[in-house]
This record gives sequence, C-alpha cells and structure tokens, in this order.
Amino acid sequence: NAGVTQTPKFQVLKTGQSMTLQCAQDMNHNSMYWYRQDPGMGLRLIYYSASEGTTDKGEVPNGYNVSRLNKREFSLRLESAAPSQTSVYFCASSLTFTGRDYGYTFGSGTRLTVV
Amino acid sequence: GESVGLHLPTLSVQEGDNSIINCAYSNSASDYFIWYKQESGKGPQFIIDIRSNMDKRQGQRVTVLLNKTVKHLSLQIAATQPGDSAVYFCAENRSNDYKLSFGAGTTVTVRA
Repeated sequence: NAGVTQTPKFQVLKTGQSMTLQCAQDMNHNSMYWYRQDPGMGLRLIYYSASEGTTDKGEVPNGYNVSRLNKREFSLRLESAAPSQTSVYFCASSLTFTGRDYGYTFGSGTRLTVV
Repeated sequence: GESVGLHLPTLSVQEGDNSIINCAYSNSASDYFIWYKQESGKGPQFIIDIRSNMDKRQGQRVTVLLNKTVKHLSLQIAATQPGDSAVYFCAENRSNDYKLSFGAGTTVTVRA
C-alpha cells in the first residue's frame, strides 16, 4: 500500500526555471493538499483540492499553480522558480475535506533548492 | 493573529521517562486537534486526534489532553523510546474552515 507518492525526492533549479512536482495517492481520498515546510515555520498550505475538479488557494499560493488531474493526482507547478521557493514540499490527502477522524496522509516530501 | 504554536522548540528526554509536549492555540473556533510525528527525511505521520467535546484521549503510549479554558493541548508519551525522537506538530482544524493549521513543531531528542 503506497499511500501518497511524491516525485521527485530532490531537485535543484536555477532561478527562473520551471518545474512540476507530482503527487499521487492510491487510497481513494477525495481531498489533496500541497504544503511547504521551512525551518521554524511548520507547514504552510499552498493550494488544496477539496474534491476532484476543484482547486483553491491556501495561505502562500503566490508563485505556484496546481492541477487536479484526476482523483488520484495533484500536481504543483513553479512557473519561474525563485530562491524564496527553496523548501521541502509535502503533498497530503484526506478521505474527507475536513480531514477528521483520520487526519491527513502525507507523502515523504520533495526537497527543492533554487540557486 | 490566529495561530497554533508549541511552547518549546526542543525537548531532551531520558529514555524511559515520560515526555510532555505542549501546544497553545488562539482561535476559540478550533474544535479538532491532531498531533503529528515527523521523523527525519519523512512526511508527518498521524499520532492521535481529539475533538473539542473531549478533555482527554488515550492511544498506545500516548495521551492528548485538551484544556479549552486556556486554549492549550499537550501530548504525553509514556516510557519514551529512542524511536520517539522526531519533530512533533500540533495542528488545528476549525469547524468553519476545515483546512489544517500547523504549529512550528517541537524537536524531541531521546537520550540513552
């Protein structure tokens, strides 16, 4: 049972380059999320998809776009990477949008460095 | 502003002792709380949750206490083991905004 799978695990980008972080879940969850984690700041929500076909901004959406490709997959795109986007990115999913009773299931993260 | 935070960024515990990790929240609309454990190089992992209609909930070696009067929750780990070394996050979930908000985390180090 894979849970939430993120690719790639590591990435180095030059300023201005673009890339897409991939996320897939095999738990038939309805809701999916992208978080970034920076030292001393916990996890901050970038974008989320409450259900297939919908996406909404979180607290730090600037510089990112997302696509909910289908129920399983939720990708995060950086159109023009900036050093401030150096972070660890986590994808998560939950059975319901409330995330209650079972919380969220997180992937193992993508460590992104922008130079 | 509204936030979920932990009192101490680090906690060092002797193996076999009990650990207590604290978390304060400021939003009285928060009615669901979760504790996550994050080991090095991994994503956060669900430990235990509690709803605001409860004061205490127990799991395997863990207990979460919720004090709504002072907006405080804690995670107690009994007989701390080396495998408990990790960063622990509390998160809140509000009934009018179901997105999770995370605190900054407490790094727990278990001494042999």
